[in-house]
Amino acid sequence: DGGITQSPKYLFRKEGQNVTLSCEQNLNHDAMYWYRQDPGQGLRLIYYSQIVNDFQKGDIAEGYSVSREKKESFPLTVTSAQKNPTAFYLCASSIGTGPYEQYFGPGTRLTVT
Amino acid sequence: QKEVEQNSGPLSVPEGAIASLNCTYSDRGSQSFFWYRQYSGKSPELIMSIYSNGDKEDGRFTAQLNKASQYVSLLIRDSQPSDSATYLCAAGTNSNSGYALNFGKGTSLLVTP
Repeated sequence: DGGITQSPKYLFRKEGQNVTLSCEQNLNHDAMYWYRQDPGQGLRLIYYSQIVNDFQKGDIAEGYSVSREKKESFPLTVTSAQKNPTAFYLCASSIGTGPYEQYFGPGTRLTVT
Repeated sequence: QKEVEQNSGPLSVPEGAIASLNCTYSDRGSQSFFWYRQYSGKSPELIMSIYSNGDKEDGRFTAQLNKASQYVSLLIRDSQPSDSATYLCAAGTNSNSGYALNFGKGTSLLVTP
């Protein structure tokens, strides 16, 4: 089955700890994205990657980092510098960057206390 | 700021009726438009994409685009209780750092039996 997987589904961390969220896709898509969703808010772009070993900051990249060492994988690290990390994190992919459809993984709900 | 505006709702329609969801966007350079359905606690699911002025039909769904008015809509015919969800509108545009989707905050739809 082709698709996007994210793990874990739920994640709980103490303030001050870094945490890494996993995103894997087997759709052979070149582009991958990380979004954050807060209650009552639209999706906001954190980072995106057009190809392996390349990534660009989105609108709210501060306090986050990413890597793209493999086409299939685009992990997101939420660092202790992110002031309000509790949110629903969504990974998406598309054939390329451009006017293409983006498909979402199931999401990771992160709670930091 | 590239904004996508949606009425938050809730929009309540009886089962079997037509639900009409609307969206406006601020960036005239937007080239692609998408409708996603998001059930509570789940990730967005792509239901329609539209790129040209006019109507595009897929089953019970019709997307309508009017670039002159910067307006996108989604019609759901024969609405079912299972259609109750939040519907996200997204507009894609080129920026200095690449192509990005801008999402609205979503319209909550409730289909009552």
